[in-house]
Amino acid sequence: RKEVEQDPGPFNVPEGATVAFNCTYSNSASQSFFWYRQDCRKEPKLLMSVYSSGNEDGRFTAQLNRASQYISLLIRDSKLSDSATYLCVVSGVTGGGNKLTFGTGTQLKVEL
Amino acid sequence: NAGVTQTPKFQVLKTGQSMTLQCAQDMNHNSMYWYRQDPGMGLRLIYYSASEGTTDKGEVPNGYNVSRLNKREFSLRLESAAPSQTSVYFCASRTRARNYEQYFGPGTRLTVT
Repeated sequence: RKEVEQDPGPFNVPEGATVAFNCTYSNSASQSFFWYRQDCRKEPKLLMSVYSSGNEDGRFTAQLNRASQYISLLIRDSKLSDSATYLCVVSGVTGGGNKLTFGTGTQLKVEL
Repeated sequence: NAGVTQTPKFQVLKTGQSMTLQCAQDMNHNSMYWYRQDPGMGLRLIYYSASEGTTDKGEVPNGYNVSRLNKREFSLRLESAAPSQTSVYFCASRTRARNYEQYFGPGTRLTVT
């Protein structure tokens, strides 16, 4: 079983739609959780951290369910510029949480 | 601030050739990382350096060596390149901040023929 699993997509949605991605992780001792965004042929960039209480940043909402070991990202009112690959990222337990484990990403395409 | 910089941006090598990928950060970060990204595989950690003077193996270290030259610079060396090392290589760094956010360089696209 992969340490971090995501549906690769692609998710094709019309502009203005709401779309949700889920991610599951295998290590129950994982400490920190993130969503990164990666545009085609670019480096990953942090979109948002994911906190136990859930957190929101504009049109983006992230949730963490430790009991079920999954993380979600909700994007409301999708924009064309949201088209990208979204990486679910979990911090490693070894090395004092010094390492991140990346999912393979979920591709989002927002269409007119 | 430039953030994390990597050189070169592109490189083509022949099997058996060697090269060093350079990475530098100007954010005074303690930890630095080298990843490779292949289609369908996600980012995989090659080596990391938790602080100046230390390096540790990641998930896929075979065929690579690293040097943490100083706090700013972390280089990745391929001693004898193989076609299986064709990939996109990303360097990253982070602070000791609790949220463990990593900042990535723009990547090096390496092709080994």
